[in-house]
Amino acid sequence: GENVEQHPSTLSVQEGDSAVIKCTYSDSASNYFPWYKQELGKRPQLIIDIRSNVGEKKDQRIAVTLNKTAKHFSLHITETQPEDSAVYFCAAYASGGSYIPTFGRGTSLIVHP
Amino acid sequence: DAGVIQSPRHEVTEMGQEVTLRCKPISGHNSLFWYRQTMMRGLELLIYFNNNVPIDDSGMPEDRFSAKMPNASFSTLKIQPSEPRDSAVYFCASSPYRADYEQYFGPGTRLTVT
Repeated sequence: GENVEQHPSTLSVQEGDSAVIKCTYSDSASNYFPWYKQELGKRPQLIIDIRSNVGEKKDQRIAVTLNKTAKHFSLHITETQPEDSAVYFCAAYASGGSYIPTFGRGTSLIVHP
Repeated sequence: DAGVIQSPRHEVTEMGQEVTLRCKPISGHNSLFWYRQTMMRGLELLIYFNNNVPIDDSGMPEDRFSAKMPNASFSTLKIQPSEPRDSAVYFCASSPYRADYEQYFGPGTRLTVT
């Protein structure tokens, strides 16, 4: 089955700095890679996603890059703000009909004002 | 749309008791997921339904756990008998058409087994 590794587990930055979270996956057939943000005590919510036919996607201050050859994808947050503080989860979906998601362990991002 | 609805929001029970968690997915969504979240193990997929049919239940930890989806608007996750190690936040999520689309999570049920 799919295996997703996420690093780092904790990331602390100063407001205004950039933050990068990386995930690697094992199944080369995986074709959908979403990122979810979970604020303390809240539910996970999708913030950005990318499919395997695209190398990069941006949405304002966040972007995701995908390297299919190396089987890794990254979340980039620029000009971080205190409200970006949360746990971020990556996920990978294998193709083949079952479409089962495998989530990374999560990264706790702390943005210091 | 009210989003995914879960009940109860909090459940405290004693070891050995039966626990039933409930979920109402977003109307029109074909896929439904049950997840368990703990500090130690992160977010784990327990079971995935598509069009009310269980597609993958390989994440269900053991026979004490069971899940049903009798119709498109209701699902239950049952633990019988419950154990302290089952303490976690249980999320239900739904997705349109199939799994590889955005998942909409419910607010979760925080289960504490003493």
